[in-house]
Amino acid sequence: KNQVEQSPQSLIILEGKNCTLQCNYTVSPFSNLRWYKQDTGRGPVSLTIMTFSENTKSNGRYTATLDADTKQSSLHITASQLSDSASYICVVSANTNAGKSTFGDGTTLTVKP
Amino acid sequence: DTEVTQTPKHLVMGMTNKKSLKCEQHMGHRAMYWYKQKAKKPPELMFVYSYEKLSINESVPSRFSPECPNSSLLNLHLHALQPEDSALYLCASSRMGSDEQFFGPGTRLTVL
Repeated sequence: KNQVEQSPQSLIILEGKNCTLQCNYTVSPFSNLRWYKQDTGRGPVSLTIMTFSENTKSNGRYTATLDADTKQSSLHITASQLSDSASYICVVSANTNAGKSTFGDGTTLTVKP
Repeated sequence: DTEVTQTPKHLVMGMTNKKSLKCEQHMGHRAMYWYKQKAKKPPELMFVYSYEKLSINESVPSRFSPECPNSSLLNLHLHALQPEDSALYLCASSRMGSDEQFFGPGTRLTVL
């Protein structure tokens, strides 16, 4: 069964600090992995998308890594800001499930001043 | 235009009402999606339209009826909903063959 597990479930950090969110998946055959940021009550916004051959991708202060061998991904946030407070969702797609993706439960990040 | 828009932003309806949610995109995407999201949970796929044809129905109850009148519009018709159907309803679109989905802001639905 395709699964995506994220950790930690929630995280509180101080403004200006860095943090790393984890995503482990069992989706096969792997197609791509996406990280989304979702503010409360809003739609998810894409941060990064990585395919099998990519092991790192950056979007401003967000850097995602992918290890397709261990089926792990991480999202590193540098110099956090209050506006980074949100839910971060890892989504993985398989080659064989066109239109369907497996969503993780998300990590809720709170950045405090 | 790189935006997916949804209307209304909020909707309160009774269990006997009929209402519709609307979604629009002008990015030329030919795949469009409806998701349902409960609080503190990830989005759950409901329907997928490919080239204006329904391609995936995730065993959604018939009280939810999707419609894709053209390549830019996606509707979700609601009838005889239950209180447990209260949720954030998200629309998304993508290029055909791409998993990179662009989400709208959602409609917050409350069923009384």
